[in-house]
Amino acid sequence: NAGVTQTPKFRVLKTGQSMTLLCAQDMNHEYMYWYRQDPGMGLRLIHYSVGEGTTAKGEVPDGYNVSRLKKQNFLLGLESAAPSQTSVYFCASREDLSSYNEQFFGPGTRLTVL
Amino acid sequence: AQSVTQLGSHVSVSEGALVLLRCNYSSSVPPYLFWYVQYPNQGLQLLLKYTTGATLVKGINGFEAEFKKSETSFHLTKPSAHMSDAAEYFCAVSEAGGNEKLTFGTGTRLTIIP
Repeated sequence: NAGVTQTPKFRVLKTGQSMTLLCAQDMNHEYMYWYRQDPGMGLRLIHYSVGEGTTAKGEVPDGYNVSRLKKQNFLLGLESAAPSQTSVYFCASREDLSSYNEQFFGPGTRLTVL
Repeated sequence: AQSVTQLGSHVSVSEGALVLLRCNYSSSVPPYLFWYVQYPNQGLQLLLKYTTGATLVKGINGFEAEFKKSETSFHLTKPSAHMSDAAEYFCAVSEAGGNEKLTFGTGTRLTIIP
């Protein structure tokens, strides 16, 4: 099992460019999450999905879009990147509601927007 | 609404000394509580969790935490610090009974002094 993987590991964008971050999990988990991590602010939830074809907004959704076309993949898109989106992005997955909310995390994507 | 407060963004202890990382939570319903550890340039890894039952929970690497409802606390301890414990630690809370989301504290960076 690879667990949760994220692509790419690093990326540098210019303001206004777009990109998509890919999260994949091979554990057949129902729930998937995208977080951003900024110094002194912990992890903040951007968007999440409770199953294939569903998405919902988290705490800081503005400027991001997501899609969950396949159960194993959760994509995070930035349509027009801004310097405020410079951050480390983590994806996580969770089996279902019966698993006491334990989330499994990917290794992260470090994004810099110039 | 739920929230987490971690007292002390940086904690330094000598190798072999007691580690104590503080976490207080706020939740309108019985909580599930978690401690995650993040080693440099890696994703988050679950250390331990409290869901129901025994209030003293043991985790990996010799860490344990005690749920104290009266104090709304879930402090993390380890009797004897090791150099390999140097990392950032995050406390998190979710609501028992099915809330899909975790709320994280802002993290505590633990430094071990040789």
